[in-house]
Amino acid sequence: SQQGEEDPQALSIQEGENATMNCSYKTSINNLQWYRQNSGRGLVHLILIRSNEREKHSGRLRVTLDTSKKSSSLLITASRAADTASYFCATDGYNTDKLIFGTGTRLQVFP
Amino acid sequence: EPEVTQTPSHQVTQMGQEVILRCVPISNHLYFYWYRQILGQKVEFLVSFYNNEISEKSEIFDDQFSVERPDGSNFTLKIRSTKLEDSAMYFCASSSGRGLKAFFGQGTRLTVV
Repeated sequence: SQQGEEDPQALSIQEGENATMNCSYKTSINNLQWYRQNSGRGLVHLILIRSNEREKHSGRLRVTLDTSKKSSSLLITASRAADTASYFCATDGYNTDKLIFGTGTRLQVFP
Repeated sequence: EPEVTQTPSHQVTQMGQEVILRCVPISNHLYFYWYRQILGQKVEFLVSFYNNEISEKSEIFDDQFSVERPDGSNFTLKIRSTKLEDSAMYFCASSSGRGLKAFFGQGTRLTVV
């Protein structure tokens, strides 16, 4: 079965710095999505990248996808203290409805 | 932006009791999901629901669990005879189509004592 693994597990940076989180998965995917979760709260969708796309941007977010390496990265530029949260990748496959979530990266941005 | 609403936000129940977790998905969405997250662990898929029936379920979703869309707007998850290990955050989600972005609710924290 698919399994997403993120690294690093935890990341601490200063405001204004960039944060890069990586996600790897094991089987073929249809789409890969990134979600954010503030402590004890729900999952907020950030961005979706399709398997035939290599890069996507949304505001301060940049996502890349390398299907040959079965990996994706999420870059948050010019981070803010409000970006402090856990970030998860989630993949879905062909002929399936379910999302398989990664283990998550806990990002702490210090003011 | 439209949102998925879940109630209650927190439920405490005695082991062996039945609980019903409620969700109101986004109104024009067709696909509905339940996921759970045990504290400090991954978000795990439980079940997907489309066209008034279960379309996919995980091995976690055994006979103890059931889902229902009783009235065209609500989507419920029932857990019969709760166990301590059912303690988790349960998330409802909906999407307008397969492979499209899923909108998640704020979750129900279930504590079984």
